[in-house]
Amino acid sequence: GAGVSQSPSNKVTEKGKDVELRCDPISGHTALYWYRQSLGQGLEFLIYFQGNSAPDKSGLPSDRFSAERTGGSVSTLTIQRTQQEDSAVYLCASSPQSGVNSPLHFGNGTRLTVT
Amino acid sequence: AQSVTQLGSHVSVSEGALVLLRCNYSSSVPPYLFWYVQYPNQGLQLLLKYTSAATLVKGINGFEAEFKKSETSFHLTKPSAHMSDAAEYFCAVSDRGDSNYQLIWGAGTKLIIKP
Repeated sequence: GAGVSQSPSNKVTEKGKDVELRCDPISGHTALYWYRQSLGQGLEFLIYFQGNSAPDKSGLPSDRFSAERTGGSVSTLTIQRTQQEDSAVYLCASSPQSGVNSPLHFGNGTRLTVT
Repeated sequence: AQSVTQLGSHVSVSEGALVLLRCNYSSSVPPYLFWYVQYPNQGLQLLLKYTSAATLVKGINGFEAEFKKSETSFHLTKPSAHMSDAAEYFCAVSDRGDSNYQLIWGAGTKLIIKP
């Protein structure tokens, strides 16, 4: 069956430009998560969507980062005025429910390089 | 505050040898503990989890992990390594059962299998 799909798989952008990263979760999964993985570090939580509830944005590192989830399905993570420290792999995951008994299903990630 | 430490960013074992990947955590309350695996060119997937039932947890592909409260450890083992086990392994901890996004992740250990 179809898994979590992320696009693009790779993105190279110039410092100061805006980028949009897309995540298509598994159909029917109500919970959607964005993480960032920098080289040699663990996954860093960015934002969490659960159904129609207001998202938890507590992990977003600055106001240059935003995300939306339209129709409870596809999500877009937007980074404005990119900086070199934004270079990382951005991972999206979905799960049927929000609790720990509902495993996360990850996409392959988008590798962002800011030059 | 919770934290996760994975000892060794890279671990190399011979095919057929014991695999031991170390994970130590800190948590002020009984934790939920997870191992996720990322095979080359694939998204992370759940390998096994501890959620306060049996302390010895069996996962996919012959892996298991033992929760040792006195040592605050959740090391991952497999008796006999196979070439297909080459991947990156991530340990994660949460003190909440109601939300996956509260997971705190280790930096990952890349397992290398020598023929």
